[in-house]
Amino acid sequence: DGGITQSPKYLFRKEGQNVTLSCEQNLNHDAMYWYRQDPGQGLRLIYYSQIVNDFQKGDIAEGYSVSREKKESFPLTVTSAQKNPTAFYLCASSANPNNYGYTFGSGTRLTVV
Amino acid sequence: SQQGEEDPQALSIQEGENATMNCSYKTSINNLQWYRQNSGRGLVHLILIRSNEREKHSGRLRVTLDTSKKSSSLLITASRAADTASYFCATDRRTSGTYKYIFGTGTRLKVLA
Repeated sequence: DGGITQSPKYLFRKEGQNVTLSCEQNLNHDAMYWYRQDPGQGLRLIYYSQIVNDFQKGDIAEGYSVSREKKESFPLTVTSAQKNPTAFYLCASSANPNNYGYTFGSGTRLTVV
Repeated sequence: SQQGEEDPQALSIQEGENATMNCSYKTSINNLQWYRQNSGRGLVHLILIRSNEREKHSGRLRVTLDTSKKSSSLLITASRAADTASYFCATDRRTSGTYKYIFGTGTRLKVLA
């Protein structure tokens, strides 16, 4: 079955550490997105990529970095510069968001310990 | 910044009743989408409605769009306990030739059996 896979489901980070969240899709979608969701809140866009080897900052990119070396993969690194990283992180992909919307992964819950 | 805002923030109804939630947005759009999120999961795409459409149906879901009022509504008829979830609207924002979607803060629907 085609889909989008995020791993791990739960992740714990110590203060000052960088951590990388994985997002893989086998839907052959060009566009991929990372969103952050805080409790009881909506989704805020971190980074997005329309095509391989290209990506743009979203509304809250500070303290995060991404890469898009392969069409299938769009990993997100939460760096030590992100002062409040505890949140639920959602990855999405789309062939053409204006026609088909997004397909979301099941999310990664990151907690700072 | 939030583009879409859902209303009400929370809604509790009895099974079999209809549920209506609204979304207001600030700037012109090409289309608007509705998503559902079960607790702790990713979002699931429900319906996309284009700016030149006024109403769209999918099963028990009915979406309306009023571009003059910059608002949309999602109606779930004959609700079931399984409809308990958060519902988000998402509106497109075009930046430098690329489209991305901005999500509202969501309506938390609880359907009581």
